Amino acid sequence: EAQVTQNPRYLITVTGKKLTVTCSQNMNHEYMSWYRQDPGLGLRQIYYSMNVEVTDKGDVPEGYKVSRKEKRNFPLILESPSPNQTSLYFCASSLYPSGDQVPPYEQYFGPGTRLTVT
Amino acid sequence: AQKITQTQPGMFVQEKEAVTLDCTYDTSDPSYGLFWYKQPSSGEMIFLIYQGSYDQQNATEGRYSLNFQKARKSANLVISASQLGDSAMYFCALGSNYKLTFGKGTLLTVNP
Repeated sequence: EAQVTQNPRYLITVTGKKLTVTCSQNMNHEYMSWYRQDPGLGLRQIYYSMNVEVTDKGDVPEGYKVSRKEKRNFPLILESPSPNQTSLYFCASSLYPSGDQVPPYEQYFGPGTRLTVT
Repeated sequence: AQKITQTQPGMFVQEKEAVTLDCTYDTSDPSYGLFWYKQPSSGEMIFLIYQGSYDQQNATEGRYSLNFQKARKSANLVISASQLGDSAMYFCALGSNYKLTFGKGTLLTVNP
């Protein structure tokens, strides 16, 4: 089954304790991205990756790190989490578009990770 | 900078009627894509429809159609024959140069 998986699905942690949220896709997609969703703000892009070893900042990258060492995995790292990073996090992936389509194309989203930082 | 605006925080529609969810955008990129996603109360994000900036025809996918007016920078979603299962949050998004910007969403409630 084609899917994007995220782990953990729920996490409660304390300020300053490093954590990693994993994301994996089995569709051989080149493009992967992380978003955070906060009430009243919609989804905001944190980081994205066009392919292995190629990543770039989205709109809200502060306090986050990413790496793309394998095509299927795109972990999100919070080196020193703070309470303002409490949020619902989504990972997504997509193929490169073909023809006149403009990247990013249709994205497949993971189920989300609800993070609480106290 | 890219900007997406959804001016309707909430909408109500009667079952079997059509509803239009508004979306306006702003970008200086000549090539871009517009997306609509649905997020039911269970939380998953479901892709509905895509419109490329150079597409001549409005996109359609089943009961969903995108009313794309490029000169007015609007990309409204039309849902025909609403169903109770259409009750959800709907997000418009603008994609360009590998970045995706979402609007704040419209909560649609379908009444029986």
